[in-house]
Amino acid sequence: DQQVKQNSPSLSVQEGRISILNCDYTNSMFDYFLWYKKYPAEGPTFLISISSIKDKNEDGRFTVFLNKSAKHLSLHIVPSQPGDSAVYFCAARVGGGADGLTFGKGTHLIIQP
Amino acid sequence: EAGVTQSPTHLIKTRGQQATLRCSPISGHTSVYWYQQALGLGLQFLLWYDEGEERNRGNFPPRFSGRQFPNYSSELNVNALELEDSALYLCASSPRAGGRSDTQYFGPGTRLTVL
Repeated sequence: DQQVKQNSPSLSVQEGRISILNCDYTNSMFDYFLWYKKYPAEGPTFLISISSIKDKNEDGRFTVFLNKSAKHLSLHIVPSQPGDSAVYFCAARVGGGADGLTFGKGTHLIIQP
Repeated sequence: EAGVTQSPTHLIKTRGQQATLRCSPISGHTSVYWYQQALGLGLQFLLWYDEGEERNRGNFPPRFSGRQFPNYSSELNVNALELEDSALYLCASSPRAGGRSDTQYFGPGTRLTVL
């Protein structure tokens, strides 16, 4: 039973355009959400997070939107740059994190020149 | 500031052997988490240590175990290795246990191959 789903295994976006990565979850107890970026042969790098009491959080080119009623979050990257090409993981957590993070399977973002 | 470090980078074992993986958290972090990323699967939560104690474990058999040392570094032991244990093992650290907004920072991982 996958509690965090990233339904697009890959996404191709032209450089300079907006990249939108989507994530759905089923566990209504999740109250903290994170996005990580991963290059091959490296560990995931933290990008941005959002608490369930907010619906938007912005950090530079990255914005995360949370729609609790739809149990959906999205990561917007604008403008997209070649260095953004990586696998992006959506993760969620209940409370203080005793159960660790629950991850989606990732979306491979490819930025086309 | 040094990030999370893991050793070794790669580890090759045969079925039935034991593997030991090591992790050093970011300085000042007391919580260490272990995750497994098997081929075709997402990251799966394995174990959580804080202040030297195992706080929680994911849905993995008891042959996956570990410990946390007084300096907060951690060791993951996998006994009686099986072929399906071949995976990338990632360690993450966070500042403190139970911090609602604490972010986990990951190391580069150890690639375990079981032959």
